[in-house]
Amino acid sequence: LAKTTQPISMDSYEGQEVNITCSHNNIATNDYITWYQQFPSQGPRFIIQGYKTKVTNEVASLFIPADRKSSTLSLPRVSLSDTAVYYCLVGGGTASKLTFGTGTRLQVTL
Amino acid sequence: GAVVSQHPSWVICKSGTSVKIECRSLDFQATTMFWYRQFPKQSLMLMATSNEGSKATYEQGVEKDKFLINHASLTLSTLTVTSAHPEDSSFYICSARENEQFFGPGTRLTVL
Repeated sequence: LAKTTQPISMDSYEGQEVNITCSHNNIATNDYITWYQQFPSQGPRFIIQGYKTKVTNEVASLFIPADRKSSTLSLPRVSLSDTAVYYCLVGGGTASKLTFGTGTRLQVTL
Repeated sequence: GAVVSQHPSWVICKSGTSVKIECRSLDFQATTMFWYRQFPKQSLMLMATSNEGSKATYEQGVEKDKFLINHASLTLSTLTVTSAHPEDSSFYICSARENEQFFGPGTRLTVL
C-alpha cells in the first residue's frame, strides 16, 4: 500500500484559503487519491477523490500533478467549523483497504 | 452519499465481559466492510476486513480470537470484543464501500 506523508498540523484564519499537500511517492497505477475529514469522536467524512489533474466539488478542490506523486487539497475560505483532522489516502478498487497516515490537524481561528 | 450506521454509539462494560458492535450499510449492499480502531490523538488503524459469507482477514498484530467478526449479510457486519480489558478501550469505526468508502459514526468502548 502506498504510504502518504502530510504536515502534522496547520493553522489558518477564518476566510483564508487553505492548501494541504500530501506526498505519495510510490502510488500505483490503479490507485485513487481520497481525502477525508474527521471531527473528534466521529467517523471520517469523505471530502473528495481524484485520479489525476484537477477535481472540484462544492466543498473543495483536489490538484494532482502529472506524476501523481503528490496531491493538494484546497479548501476555499475556511471557517471555524473546518477545524478538523484531514487525511490523505491512496488506494484502488472497490474492495481495497485504505491505510490512514497521521493526517493534518487544521486549526482555524478568528 | 451512502450511509453507514453503528450501534451502539458508546458502551461501558466491566473487564472480562464481551461487547458486540454492529455496523450496517443502510442504503447499499456491501460485500466488504472494514473495522478500524482509533486511540486518542492517533490515526485510524485498520484491524480487519470483513467479507460477506467468508472469514474476515485480520491485519498483523490483531488477535482474531479476541476480535470476532461476523459478516452474515450484505448490510451487516459485527465486531465482538471478547473478554474485554481496559486496554481495549478505544473508538471503533467501521466502513463500507460503494463508490467511495463511507465510514460509520464510531463506537466508543470503555472497559472498566
